[in-house]
Amino acid sequence: ETGVTQTPRHLVMGMTNKKSLKCEQHLGHNAMYWYKQSAKKPLELMFVYNFKEQTENNSVPSRFSPECPNSSHLFLHLHTLQPEDSALYLCASSQGNPGWTGPERYTFGSGTRLTVV
Amino acid sequence: DQQVKQNSPSLSVQEGRISILNCDYTNSMFDYFLWYKKYPAEGPTFLISISSIKDKNEDGRFTVFLNKSAKHLSLHIVPSQPGDSAVYFCAASLIMNYGGSQGNLIFGKGTKLSVKP
Repeated sequence: ETGVTQTPRHLVMGMTNKKSLKCEQHLGHNAMYWYKQSAKKPLELMFVYNFKEQTENNSVPSRFSPECPNSSHLFLHLHTLQPEDSALYLCASSQGNPGWTGPERYTFGSGTRLTVV
Repeated sequence: DQQVKQNSPSLSVQEGRISILNCDYTNSMFDYFLWYKKYPAEGPTFLISISSIKDKNEDGRFTVFLNKSAKHLSLHIVPSQPGDSAVYFCAASLIMNYGGSQGNLIFGKGTKLSVKP
């Protein structure tokens, strides 16, 4: 039990579908992240939320839309995706802090394996 | 352009011998480095870290070495065990909060370690 739970574990969707990925953390953390892991590429940071405020959008296409209703939950809404968006999507959380100036250790979920057909 | 590079996609080592995983970085402003370990179907888990004020950090069988002048760090596992077989990710961060980055972790592509009995 990592404390960060992602659902669903696997998702197959067509290019015209709309779906959402869910992430929930039970660690009392205040920062949450979406990462994308494609084959043979580094983990790519997509979005950062710190105390429910989006602090970073790493040039992600608008077909990915994050939502953070509270510090424990993070969603990634997907619509009109492309086959190249197929990847493992990882959620992570960390302590976070206003004006954070310290190193962070992330706790990751197990990821959602997304296939776009 | 990758800021954190793991140039060896895979490494195979005999049980009981030393495993050495390498990582190079390009941003001289990075001052905190971490190693994460990932098993299949699980999220990455934190393994060991080092700040730039040190050149070595040891935790049991795991030791991380940092060479700032060469912008290089390595993870040594000794003795290697079959259970160490996993993908190892190197990550780098800034301790100080520059702009809005909040010290977000930048990951390498990972190295798949196989430890053979």
